[in-house]
Amino acid sequence: SAVISQKPSRDICQRGTSLTIQCQVDSQVTMMFWYRQQPGQSLTLIATANQGSEATYESGFVIDKFPISRPNLTFSTLTVSNMSPEDSSIYLCSVEEVGGAGGYTFGSGTRLTVV
Amino acid sequence: GENVEQHPSTLSVQEGDSAVIKCTYSDSASNYFPWYKQELGKRPQLIIDIRSNVGEKKDQRIAVTLNKTAKHFSLHITETQPEDSAVYFCAARGGGADGLTFGKGTHLIIQP
Repeated sequence: SAVISQKPSRDICQRGTSLTIQCQVDSQVTMMFWYRQQPGQSLTLIATANQGSEATYESGFVIDKFPISRPNLTFSTLTVSNMSPEDSSIYLCSVEEVGGAGGYTFGSGTRLTVV
Repeated sequence: GENVEQHPSTLSVQEGDSAVIKCTYSDSASNYFPWYKQELGKRPQLIIDIRSNVGEKKDQRIAVTLNKTAKHFSLHITETQPEDSAVYFCAARGGGADGLTFGKGTHLIIQP
């Protein structure tokens, strides 16, 4: 399966600032996604990162707050903008595996704490 | 959009017994149903999945069943072991969607 590297693994940020999270995959993939997992909660899809075009956001998530880049088939970034304590979560990158088996693999996540 | 309900939220079973976790979904066009295991502080790991053209799939001690008519699917773990203790999430990919909608998770506790 694809190997996903996510950076940083954790960060503590001041409110009002922004953090950019990077996701690097060891193979070309068509579909890349960003999820949020609040403490003790389930995973919620933020957006689909589209290569060469604007990301597709889920209800409740907007581009101004979570701008996403996808410059090629192996890399994406998610920025959490103008952070507040409510943004404290784990942010996870995910890819859909190519080939017959399919399935979705997750990166190790970025644990963000906003103070 | 898709909505996934998962029950129970906590499940405690004796080591060696079976565990069953159930999920329902709302979108009849959903076509893919994975199950993830997440240990504390780690990423979700895919343990088994099933597609809408299959009714049951088994992998050693783990099986998943899908009832499209009733729009529900279940995870079955037999001969549970201490290392099965974790949070389990079901998910569904809705018709026309690319990403996954997750259930709220089940904390599975294996009692020695």
